Amino acid sequence: EPEVTQTPSHQVTQMGQEVILRCVPISNHLYFYWYRQILGQKVEFLVSFYNNEISEKSEIFDDQFSVERPDGSNFTLKIRSTKLEDSAMYFCASSDSGLGSNSPLHFGNGTRLTVT
Amino acid sequence: DAKTTQPNSMESNEEEPVHLPCNHSTISGTDYIHWYRQLPSQGPEYVIHGLTSNVNNRMASLAIAEDRKSSTLILHRATLRDAAVYYCILRDRRTDSWGKLQFGAGTQVVVTP
Repeated sequence: EPEVTQTPSHQVTQMGQEVILRCVPISNHLYFYWYRQILGQKVEFLVSFYNNEISEKSEIFDDQFSVERPDGSNFTLKIRSTKLEDSAMYFCASSDSGLGSNSPLHFGNGTRLTVT
Repeated sequence: DAKTTQPNSMESNEEEPVHLPCNHSTISGTDYIHWYRQLPSQGPEYVIHGLTSNVNNRMASLAIAEDRKSSTLILHRATLRDAAVYYCILRDRRTDSWGKLQFGAGTQVVVTP
């Protein structure tokens, strides 16, 4: 069964550094998402992306965050200047349909980001 | 999106059925009921969804109350692999927020051998 893959599985970075989290969505999917989960807390929506632009973003997704689909297979989340509170598990997801459908989201197994 | 209420945890013996309740008393007519689960150290995984009628798939069954104010996810024979946090989520596919799933705290299912 096709799956969403994320790399790296664990990223350690120093406060103030830039990080890029990478995702390869399922190949025929057109809608892409990032979620995060701080340890012990709920899974939170960050951003949705379709047709090379952001469809919706949450309050968490401020100017420090950006997303990109640099080629036909990758989807990335960049954090420009990491803060301690960015430490979390970041999940990428994709779906084959969007508005008007009940197409499920397929999630990857996440990248654990640790900011020191 | 309308909110859901789930018990914090439930325990089951292996190979016995598990019934996971979810209350959504403020559900709107266009809200679908979705269930996801999250196994330890993994991302959320879609389980099932429905609108009004009961639904079955290879993973589980979803029983929806006639007034739609509650639903129950049924795992017919729990295995150790079913130990996870189960999330009941309402999703209104008409809105622009179709990709924004609102995860609550979910129900932690513990399966005992």
